[in-house]
Amino acid sequence: DIQMTQSPSSLSASVGDRVTITCRASQSISSYLNWYQQKPGKAPKLLIYGASNLQSGVPSRFSGSASGTHFTLTISSLQPEDFATYYCQQSYSNTRLTFGGGTKVDMK
Amino acid sequence: QVQLQESGPGLVKPLETLSLTCSVSDGSIGSYYWSWIRQPPGEGLEWIGYMDSSGRTNSNPSLKSRLSISVDSSKNQFSLNLRSVSAADTAVYYCARFTHYYDSSCFDYWGQGILVTVSS
Repeated sequence: DIQMTQSPSSLSASVGDRVTITCRASQSISSYLNWYQQKPGKAPKLLIYGASNLQSGVPSRFSGSASGTHFTLTISSLQPEDFATYYCQQSYSNTRLTFGGGTKVDMK
Repeated sequence: QVQLQESGPGLVKPLETLSLTCSVSDGSIGSYYWSWIRQPPGEGLEWIGYMDSSGRTNSNPSLKSRLSISVDSSKNQFSLNLRSVSAADTAVYYCARFTHYYDSSCFDYWGQGILVTVSS
């Protein structure tokens, strides 16, 4: 199985902060990495697919990047509606799709 | 845009079969892969499996022996059956569309989720 390790598991930030969340794959997954946002009691929402492609309708303050097996989700200026849990997910192995453990972003 | 809606019992007894259905709002069920994902209370996301409209499936090896997924194109629905459940199967179950792009595949549309509790 391809293991996805997210860090940090939680962070506290203020509105306007630049926030960075990292996901590391246990092996090469090319650009087959997606990011989701989940708010309490709601289904996850796709933010970024293919490591850096912004899903339609997602604000441009969200961006994704990749360097080898390290992937980053950046929120350039945190907004009140961005407090949520974020998950990465690899789709390189289509027979064993896996998610990271999640990063909870809460208010400082 | 496409909408997905899970339905099924919220309470299942141990050792029985958990059965859920996902209804897809438009006629696209024949054009995509359809998946199930679950989330135990307070925990992260776990992929269960997916099926395409031709009936080919891939599923999580940890669940494969107890799992079946089917698609009914005539009803725009797909279903999950998980046999011989235990308390460890208690979770919110999501259905989702699994879409393939040139350089990635992702879950781009999700149902709202349904909580299934396994308890006698």
